[in-house]
Amino acid sequence: DGGITQSPKYLFRKEGQNVTLSCEQNLNHDAMYWYRQDPGQGLRLIYYSQIVNDFQKGDIAEGYSVSREKKESFPLTVTSAQKNPTAFYLCASSGLAGSDTQYFGPGTRLTVL
Amino acid sequence: AQKITQTQPGMFVQEKEAVTLDCTYDTSDPSYGLFWYKQPSSGEMIFLIYQGSYDQQNATEGRYSLNFQKARKSANLVISASQLGDSAMYFCAMREPHFSGNTPLVFGKGTRLSVIA
Repeated sequence: DGGITQSPKYLFRKEGQNVTLSCEQNLNHDAMYWYRQDPGQGLRLIYYSQIVNDFQKGDIAEGYSVSREKKESFPLTVTSAQKNPTAFYLCASSGLAGSDTQYFGPGTRLTVL
Repeated sequence: AQKITQTQPGMFVQEKEAVTLDCTYDTSDPSYGLFWYKQPSSGEMIFLIYQGSYDQQNATEGRYSLNFQKARKSANLVISASQLGDSAMYFCAMREPHFSGNTPLVFGKGTRLSVIA
């Protein structure tokens, strides 16, 4: 089945630790995205990538880093510099046309202890 | 300034009734796309419907339709014959074109819909 997988589903981190959230897609999409969602809020863009080895910062990139070494994969690292990382993280992918739908993975819930 | 505004934090609807979720947007670009997503309590985002700014007719997908009023910059989602499974958060989103290709979606803060039996 084609889709987007994110792992792990739940992640607990101690303060001061870096953690990496996985996102893989087999939809052959060029573009991939990372969003953050806080309780009762909409989605805010962290990073996005339209092509391998290239990515752009979103509205809230501070304290996060990404890589895009393969078309299928777009991992997100939450660094210790992110002051309030507890949130729900959603990965998405799409084609490059303006009308292309963005499809989402099931999300990773990160909790900092 | 907010690009997507959803003014209804929460809505209630009786089962089998129709409901309209409001969305207004702000853009100066003539070419843009509008999307609606559903987010159940499980957290996944489910795509519902798309409307392009140049589309002549309102988009429809099964029980979902989009009331697109370009001059008013509104793109309201209409759900007909509500079901208990429609209870969820609903997000309106917009994509504007960019010379470098596709751009990410900008989301509103969402409306929580509760369907009552």
